[in-house]
Amino acid sequence: DAGVIQSPRHEVTEMGQEVTLRCKPISGHNSLFWYRQTMMRGLELLIYFNNNVPIDDSGMPEDRFSAKMPNASFSTLKIQPSEPRDSAVYFCASSFGSSGGTDTQYFGPGTRLTVL
Amino acid sequence: RKEVEQDPGPFNVPEGATVAFNCTYSNSASQSFFWYRQDCRKEPKLLMSVYSSGNEDGRFTAQLNRASQYISLLIRDSKLSDSATYLCVVNDNNDMRFGAGTRLTVKP
Repeated sequence: DAGVIQSPRHEVTEMGQEVTLRCKPISGHNSLFWYRQTMMRGLELLIYFNNNVPIDDSGMPEDRFSAKMPNASFSTLKIQPSEPRDSAVYFCASSFGSSGGTDTQYFGPGTRLTVL
Repeated sequence: RKEVEQDPGPFNVPEGATVAFNCTYSNSASQSFFWYRQDCRKEPKLLMSVYSSGNEDGRFTAQLNRASQYISLLIRDSKLSDSATYLCVVNDNNDMRFGAGTRLTVKP
């Protein structure tokens, strides 16, 4: 069974450009999470969805960040406009359950974003 | 104060050594606890959940002390392949909080 799939794996862009990160959760999982990891701040939860509905977006840093989950098998995280401080590895994770946080989360390989 | 704190290490130990990591958390109402492992430039993967009674999985033992609000991970007979960063994770009101991780290097 395929794990969580993320694309692209690497993205290099210039400041001010729009960036879209994509995630396909594990089939049958009903919770999806977006995380950001940097050396300075570690792994931070940005937003999570349960049954395609955003439950907690308090970790989204600012209005430049938006996330959608149009169906159970696809989610996007968009940054518009991007800034150099957005450079990080962005992980998507999914789990099965209704609690959102207590079930085992399976992480995708991440997207390494560099904003010049 | 950080919500989840870990000693960043690095811990450099010889093969066969026993090594222990601790993690403290600030929210006494936290509900569940985990240890994740992250290899260099890879994604975090669940190592084990941590139960109140303590639990063991082969060479790995996890313990939880709710009164003192800390979690521990003990690795016995360490292998070269145990080299990784170990992340302490606390579920805080349906919000997974990750520690910054403790880096372990096992040397021959």
